[in-house]
Amino acid sequence: QQQVKQSPQSLIVQKGGISIINCAYENTAFDYFPWYQQFPGKGPALLIAIRPDVSEKKEGRFTISFNKSAKQFSLHIMDSQPGDSATYFCAAVSESNFGNEKLTFGTGTRLTIIP
Amino acid sequence: AAGVIQSPRHLIKEKRETATLKCYPIPRHDTVYWYQQGPGQDPQFLISFYEKMQSDKGSIPDRFSAQQFSDYHSELNMSSLELGDSALYFCASSLYSGAGGYTFGSGTRLTVV
Repeated sequence: QQQVKQSPQSLIVQKGGISIINCAYENTAFDYFPWYQQFPGKGPALLIAIRPDVSEKKEGRFTISFNKSAKQFSLHIMDSQPGDSATYFCAAVSESNFGNEKLTFGTGTRLTIIP
Repeated sequence: AAGVIQSPRHLIKEKRETATLKCYPIPRHDTVYWYQQGPGQDPQFLISFYEKMQSDKGSIPDRFSAQQFSDYHSELNMSSLELGDSALYFCASSLYSGAGGYTFGSGTRLTVV
């Protein structure tokens, strides 16, 4: 059972456009929600993260929107560039639950930015 | 800045052989996690260690074992390898304090033939 559901599976966006990836979770014990960017053959790299006490966090061209009541969060990439082409994973973790701090990943979105 | 170091980067083994993967966490990070990522799949949690003690266990086969040593490096031992074990194996480290800074290594690509 996938605890963190992610959509879409793949996404093609024109250069300069906005890329939007959505995630939903069930476990209300999750208290930290990071997004990871992964290039082929490389490890996931932390992109941006949010805690449930805020509804939005922005870092450069990347913004996370968080809806605690709906248990949904999304990543927006503004002015998408070809270098953003990668697989993006949302994740969730319960940091306050000792012995259970593992990341639970979404299924990933393969993003392709076309010129 | 120092990152999570994994070795080897690539490993080719035959069925039924044994493999050992190593992970050196970021200095002062006290928690290590192991993940397995199949082709086109999301990383699946295997096992984690906090202060050299196993802290959580995921979908790790009984043929696999792992430990964290006194210098905080960790090793994942895989025996009786099967074709289905072919995957990328990632190690991540963090501070238990909940700073949220999970840093992944570049992974070990294991191919079982």
